[in-house]
Amino acid sequence: EAQVTQNPRYLITVTGKKLTVTCSQNMNHEYMSWYRQDPGLGLRQIYYSMNVEVTDKGDVPEGYKVSRKEKRNFPLILESPSPNQTSLYFCASSLTGSGEQYFGPGTRLTVT
Amino acid sequence: DQQVKQNSPSLSVQEGRISILNCDYTNSMFDYFLWYKKYPAEGPTFLISISSIKDKNEDGRFTVFLNKSAKHLSLHIVPSQPGDSAVYFCALSSGTYKYIFGTGTRLKVLA
Repeated sequence: EAQVTQNPRYLITVTGKKLTVTCSQNMNHEYMSWYRQDPGLGLRQIYYSMNVEVTDKGDVPEGYKVSRKEKRNFPLILESPSPNQTSLYFCASSLTGSGEQYFGPGTRLTVT
Repeated sequence: DQQVKQNSPSLSVQEGRISILNCDYTNSMFDYFLWYKKYPAEGPTFLISISSIKDKNEDGRFTVFLNKSAKHLSLHIVPSQPGDSAVYFCALSSGTYKYIFGTGTRLKVLA
């Protein structure tokens, strides 16, 4: 089954404790992206990757890091999480960078 | 400065009637326009799209209209069904690998 998986689905952590949210897709897609969803703001793009070892900033990259060492994986790293990073996070992938994207189920992160 | 706006946070429609969801944008650089549907506790799923060279695209009960001069995008669902109740996001792409999403409209279809 074609899918995008994210782990963990739920995470509660404390300020400053480094964390990684994993994302994996099994569709051989070139393009992957991370979004955060906040009430009243919709989905905002954090980072995206056009291919292995090629990444670029979206609209809200501050406080986040990404890496793309393999085509299927695109982890999101929060080196020092802060309460304003409490949000619902989605990973997505697509064949190209301009069409339909497939989204993961989401990761709800709470930083206290 | 929001580049994409969905001015109606919520919409209620009777089953069988037409649902019209709207999306306005400010920048002419966008050349591909998409609609996604999102149920609670799930990721968004792709619904329908249109490129800037067209003004209409249909897929079953769903039709997307693009008015480039007005910078306006709309999604028509007819007939609406209770299973269509969800949050709908418009998303715009400029071919530079960036996507801009609207804030979403919560559609409730009343049985």
